[in-house]
Amino acid sequence: GAVVSQHPSWVICKSGTSVKIECRSLDFQATTMFWYRQFPKQSLMLMATSNEGSKATYEQGVEKDKFLINHASLTLSTLTVTSAHPEDSSFYICSARDLETEAFFGQGTRLTVV
Amino acid sequence: AQSVTQPDIHITVSEGASLELRCNYSYGATPYLFWYVQSPGQGLQLLLKYFSGDTLVQGIKGFEAEFKRSQSSFNLRKPSVHWSDAAEYFCAVVPFSGGYNKLIFGAGTRLAVHP
Repeated sequence: GAVVSQHPSWVICKSGTSVKIECRSLDFQATTMFWYRQFPKQSLMLMATSNEGSKATYEQGVEKDKFLINHASLTLSTLTVTSAHPEDSSFYICSARDLETEAFFGQGTRLTVV
Repeated sequence: AQSVTQPDIHITVSEGASLELRCNYSYGATPYLFWYVQSPGQGLQLLLKYFSGDTLVQGIKGFEAEFKRSQSSFNLRKPSVHWSDAAEYFCAVVPFSGGYNKLIFGAGTRLAVHP
């Protein structure tokens, strides 16, 4: 299957700082990318959907000013957690889809805010 | 309400035993259906998917799933479980609401395998 690379795999940051997570599709062009958040032992909750060159569509309850998503090219989407707080600590996973119906997932990023 | 339900939060089986993980959905039209597996601290790997056609779908690692329209179910099965199958399993759907949009996940079933 296609490869989606997510970076970094884990990050620790201080409260009040911002953290950027990258999601790259390595061998295909991703027209759509999705960002999920997963709390320990829970399911994946969709945060937002982004299409290349347009604004992301956020799910209800997700703060768009806190979780900035940029999908500037067909192979790269970034999620920036702004002014991070301990409650933002979580596992963030991206997925990327081309024109077909299958989405491929990155390996996830463990964010810890201290 | 539209949803994906995995009734079993946690299942334990013995190595070599058969396995069935349940998944039910409640959408008006038949959605696209998927099963994913997640190892601890890792992303998701697609096991199999159903779009249309044959209702018995074969996947990787010896898994299969059967789509039953009358029961709105898409249960995952494996005839003989290996210790390496211990992981979290997620059923997911892409509902039809104006075209493909997003993947909706069930709560997941954590599988433990006893030697």
